[in-house]
Amino acid sequence: AQSVSQHNHHVILSEAASLELGCNYSYGGTVNLFWYVQYPGQHLQLLLKYFSGDPLVKGIKGFEAEFIKSKFSFNLRKPSVQWSDTAEYFCAVNANTNAGKSTFGDGTTLTVKP
Amino acid sequence: DAGVTQSPTHLIKTRGQQVTLRCSPKSGHDTVSWYQQALGQGPQFIFQYYEEEERQRGNFPDRFSGHQFPNYSSELNVNALLLGDSALYLCASSLGAGEQFFGPGTRLTVL
Repeated sequence: AQSVSQHNHHVILSEAASLELGCNYSYGGTVNLFWYVQYPGQHLQLLLKYFSGDPLVKGIKGFEAEFIKSKFSFNLRKPSVQWSDTAEYFCAVNANTNAGKSTFGDGTTLTVKP
Repeated sequence: DAGVTQSPTHLIKTRGQQVTLRCSPKSGHDTVSWYQQALGQGPQFIFQYYEEEERQRGNFPDRFSGHQFPNYSSELNVNALLLGDSALYLCASSLGAGEQFFGPGTRLTVL
């Protein structure tokens, strides 16, 4: 069975600080990896995804994530956060052979202070 | 182009009752997945419908059932509601196994 672990439940940063949110997964096969964001009062939106190829993936709004297969990790990064990045972030994984069924982590709430 | 829509937005039921939630997929999508998101947790996969059949199922009891219609819209039914069924129910649509787009969810409260 797949599982996803997000290391930080709540992160508080000041504007312009750098962000790194941890995500580790457990699954023995080939996986697809995702980061979703949920802004206050809005629905889940895809930030970025990794299916194959370059392990450094760039997404919307300046976010990027790096897939490190040997560490089963897919950490999300942003060099300089803005107040508008305040949201909940979810890491998700699905098996390459079973792409319709995603397993999500419990999320990290990011609060950016102006 | 409308995205994924869900109805109702909020719903309050009592224990033992039955509930039906509805989802219309994004235009062009043929696959609908349902997730349950309890407070403070990530979404958990309930099941997925494709070509009007349940194709995959997560670890949810038979009280959770669904249906997909020829126009690809879908319903989630929950029977014999328990307090623990209180959650945000999310619908996600995709074209086959492609990228999933999520709806705003239905907030179910069971009293």
